[in-house]
Amino acid sequence: EAQVTQNPRYLITVTGKKLTVTCSQNMNHEYMSWYRQDPGLGLRQIYYSMNVEVTDKGDVPEGYKVSRKEKRNFPLILESPSPNQTSLYFCASSLLPVNTEAFFGQGTRLTVV
Amino acid sequence: GNSVTQMEGPVTLSEEAFLTINCTYTATGYPSLFWYVQYPGEGLQLLLKATKADDKGSNKGFEATYRKETTSFHLEKGSVQVSDSAVYFCALIAGGTSYGKLTFGQGTILTVHP
Repeated sequence: EAQVTQNPRYLITVTGKKLTVTCSQNMNHEYMSWYRQDPGLGLRQIYYSMNVEVTDKGDVPEGYKVSRKEKRNFPLILESPSPNQTSLYFCASSLLPVNTEAFFGQGTRLTVV
Repeated sequence: GNSVTQMEGPVTLSEEAFLTINCTYTATGYPSLFWYVQYPGEGLQLLLKATKADDKGSNKGFEATYRKETTSFHLEKGSVQVSDSAVYFCALIAGGTSYGKLTFGQGTILTVHP
């Protein structure tokens, strides 16, 4: 089954404690990205990657890092989480050119206290 | 920059009612337009798309037409069902430096009652 898998689904953490949200896709897609979803704001892109070792900032990259060492994996790293990073996070992947369908993971609900 | 504006929600309808969710956009060039749907507890799924002016996207009884003259992509369904209750997002992908980025509207919550 074609899918994007994120882990964990839910996470509560404390300010400053480093965390990683994993994302893996099994469709051999070149393009992967991370979005955060906040009420009244829709989804906003954090980072994206067009292929292995190629990453770039989206609209709201501050406080986040990513890496793309393998084509299937695209982890999101919060080195020092803060309460304003409390949000619902989605990983997505798609083929290039990117006006094709994007496939989304089920989301990670992160709470930073 | 690029932006998408959706009608304010939430929207509450009775089963078999007609649905319209308005969506307008601002973008450089000729963006591709999408409607995504998010069911409770799940990720987003593509509902339909249109990649050029006057194209009509359709799926599961939903339709939307790419109107370049009014920069709109309104979502319609003639007869909604309880199972259509979800959050609907209008989105676009433009070219240039925003290559590949989906720009989303704020989402519209739809609730359909029996």
